[in-house]
Amino acid sequence: SQTIHQWPATLVQPVGSPLSLECTVEGTSNPNLYWYRQAAGRGLQLLFYSVGIGQISSEVPQNLSASRPQDRQFILSSKKLLLSDSGFYLCACRLGQGLGEQYFGPGTRLTVT
Amino acid sequence: QQQVKQSPQSLIVQKGGISIINCAYENTAFDYFPWYQQFPGKGPALLIAIRPDVSEKKEGRFTISFNKSAKQFSLHIMDSQPGDSATYFCAASKGTSYGKLTFGQGTILTVHP
Repeated sequence: SQTIHQWPATLVQPVGSPLSLECTVEGTSNPNLYWYRQAAGRGLQLLFYSVGIGQISSEVPQNLSASRPQDRQFILSSKKLLLSDSGFYLCACRLGQGLGEQYFGPGTRLTVT
Repeated sequence: QQQVKQSPQSLIVQKGGISIINCAYENTAFDYFPWYQQFPGKGPALLIAIRPDVSEKKEGRFTISFNKSAKQFSLHIMDSQPGDSATYFCAASKGTSYGKLTFGQGTILTVHP
């Protein structure tokens, strides 16, 4: 079965600083990968998804970007953080190209000060 | 049309009781309906999921009821236990959307001993 790793687990960054969150997946190949943000412990919002290396689709225009340099690596970045970027960031993967289940990683808690 | 509306926002149940959480959707193209359980500070965990070709699916104490004509589905937790206290999310996706999930806003369930 697949395992999703995210790091760091928590992060406190000042406004205007850069951001890099990493997600890696074990136990599967060619997964669909997703970045979600959860504000205030409720409501998950899809930010980006990727169906393959170098293929990124953005769902919400914002201050963030994503990259997929390897099959099982997904990175969320920002050049300059805003206060509104604070939240709980979750990476998820889905196996195969059909209606497979989607599994979430442990998340990264980001606080922008 | 992409929204999934979840109710109630919070629910308090006595140990041994039945917890019922409801979701409604508008987009008739949705064809996969999972439920997730999330504990504080953790990523959501897939609990149970249903497709519209069946009206009910049961796994242990958890049952999904699905009403295609009403565009509603619900989660029933039988014999609710204090360990079930968590936030529950319904979600929906359509087969042509690369597995992108649209989430409800969540229900905070508290089971009193």
